[in-house]
Amino acid sequence: EADIYQTPRYLVIGTGKKITLECSQTMGHDKMYWYQQDPGMELHLIHYSYGVNSTEKGDLSSESTVSRIRTEHFPLTLESARPSHTSQYLCASSDAPGASTDTQYFGPGTRLTVL
Amino acid sequence: AQSVTQLDSQVPVFEEAPVELRCNYSSSVSVYLFWYVQYPNQGLQLLLKYLSGSTLVKGINGFEAEFNKSQTSFHLRKPSVHISDTAEYFCAVSFTHIIQGAQKLVFGQGTRLTINP
Repeated sequence: EADIYQTPRYLVIGTGKKITLECSQTMGHDKMYWYQQDPGMELHLIHYSYGVNSTEKGDLSSESTVSRIRTEHFPLTLESARPSHTSQYLCASSDAPGASTDTQYFGPGTRLTVL
Repeated sequence: AQSVTQLDSQVPVFEEAPVELRCNYSSSVSVYLFWYVQYPNQGLQLLLKYLSGSTLVKGINGFEAEFNKSQTSFHLRKPSVHISDTAEYFCAVSFTHIIQGAQKLVFGQGTRLTINP
């Protein structure tokens, strides 16, 4: 069973606040991902990392930033939250060196609401 | 460019009835195909994946999917559903990012399966 954790699960904040969404995995996976998911819509990749000190932007433009200082930790930060950032954010990690054939393991998500 | 289309946004089914969730993909290169399930208030969980070989793939919880290259489809089926199968189901196609070797999954819009007693 995969062990990937996200905190907080739910967050309601005001416009202009700085927030950090936490994601941790205990499986030693090198690759980690952040997705944004709006209700009834597909997941969009916003950031990914293929190892420590490596981060890349995904297909969907996002004002958030990420860091990967430790293998197990991949936090996402919004410097100044806006209502347009309201969404669900899912973190994932993958296990095999096969890239295309990898299985991604997902955390439970953080549902962010910006007022 | 790769894309995935799930033809039904919602599928209501009675308990113990069969179900098929449809997925079509578009890709100019070899593909690997996945079905993920998302139960309420949880993250996504892998149901099954097609990498190569037999076109009929069996997954967890009694689900199976058939890869059809000529029709570019990867439909998900279950012969008899249970209340606990109520969830959102996502089809996805995978390809490798050229530079860094990281996997990129392209997801469909999802199909909400509702099982009625």
